[in-house]
Amino acid sequence: EAQVTQNPRYLITVTGKKLTVTCSQNMNHEYMSWYRQDPGLGLRQIYYSMNVEVTDKGDVPEGYKVSRKEKRNFPLILESPSPNQTSLYFCASSHRGRNNSPLHFGNGTRLTVT
Amino acid sequence: GQNIDQPTEMTATEGAIVQINCTYQTSGFNGLFWYQQHAGEAPTFLSYNVLDGLEEKGRFSSFLSRSKGYSYLLLKELQMKDSASYLCAVRGFYNQGGKLIFGQGTELSVKP
Repeated sequence: EAQVTQNPRYLITVTGKKLTVTCSQNMNHEYMSWYRQDPGLGLRQIYYSMNVEVTDKGDVPEGYKVSRKEKRNFPLILESPSPNQTSLYFCASSHRGRNNSPLHFGNGTRLTVT
Repeated sequence: GQNIDQPTEMTATEGAIVQINCTYQTSGFNGLFWYQQHAGEAPTFLSYNVLDGLEEKGRFSSFLSRSKGYSYLLLKELQMKDSASYLCAVRGFYNQGGKLIFGQGTELSVKP
């Protein structure tokens, strides 16, 4: 089944404790992206990657890191989480260069930082 | 600047028709998407428009007017399961990675 898999689904952590949210897709998509979703603010892009070893900042990259060592994986790293990073996070992927290619979303990771 | 506007909330009755509007002002346009998102779940793709006109897909239809920067999603024969948030998103320039810029979503409540 074609899908984007992110883990964990729920995560509660404390300020300053490094964490990684994993994301993997099995559709051979070149483009991958991370979004966060907050009430009243909608989906905001954190980082994106157009291909292996190519990453770039989105609209709200502060406090986040990503890597794209393999085509299928695009982990999101919070080196020192803070309470303002409490949010619902989505990983998404699509074909690059095809305007009609929709973003396919993972099931989301609900992160709480205390 | 880039801006996508949708009504925050709408209410409709089971079996009725509802139209959710979206207006956009973006620096690039490579198509407009509609997504459905149930609370706490992932957005799922509904439709894509890049040319002016109406695209019909079962109970759902989507319309685009590029000259007016306007789209709507039409839901017919509403069912209780259609209660969800509906997201309008515009695909930007290719040099931004074909980024999707999302509106804040319209929360639709379907009442019996």
